[in-house]
Amino acid sequence: ELKVEQNPLFLSMQEGKNYTIYCNYSTTSDRLYWYRQDPGKSLESLFVLLSNGAVKQEGRLMASLDTKARLSTLHITAAVHDLSATYFCAVDIKETSGSRLTFGEGTQLTVNP
Amino acid sequence: KAGVTQTPRYLIKTRGQQVTLSCSPISGHRSVSWYQQTPGQGLQFLFEYFSETQRNKGNFPGRFSGRQFSNSRSEMNVSTLELGDSALYLCASSFGGLYNEQFFGPGTRLTVL
Repeated sequence: ELKVEQNPLFLSMQEGKNYTIYCNYSTTSDRLYWYRQDPGKSLESLFVLLSNGAVKQEGRLMASLDTKARLSTLHITAAVHDLSATYFCAVDIKETSGSRLTFGEGTQLTVNP
Repeated sequence: KAGVTQTPRYLIKTRGQQVTLSCSPISGHRSVSWYQQTPGQGLQFLFEYFSETQRNKGNFPGRFSGRQFSNSRSEMNVSTLELGDSALYLCASSFGGLYNEQFFGPGTRLTVL
């Protein structure tokens, strides 16, 4: 059974600081996704990573993928309050037909002034 | 381009009743997936439909069912509601392809009393 684990689950950081969220998964994956969720809202797609060594950046967020270590990271640079949200990683393993996402537990990020 | 829409946004039902939730995917997307989000279990995959066929099913009891219509719109049904079915039900659509990026709707908040 595929397992996806994130750490930390809770992260409180100061504005201007850097930090990294880690996502480990237990079996070979086709795709790795990062999503953001604001309280009471739906999931917003941030990144889709396909191959080993893939790196994508958008603003203060950068995601990377190491398929050999089965590890993805979401790095936050110079955090600002607007980044406060819950961040999920999800892994997609292509079944015989179709696909399904298995999500991590989520990392609740709070950026304090 | 309009996003994924879900109706209704909020529902209150009592135990033993049944409920039908609706999802309209992004135009041109033929794959629709459903997820359940609860504080205790997190985000869990329910099922995926493509071209009116269920391609994948998660580990949920038979009380949870779904279907997809020829215009790619999808419905999910939960019969004999239990208190534990209270959750945010999210629908996602995707075009497929290499990235298979999944776009989520706003969700339906179901409360079972």
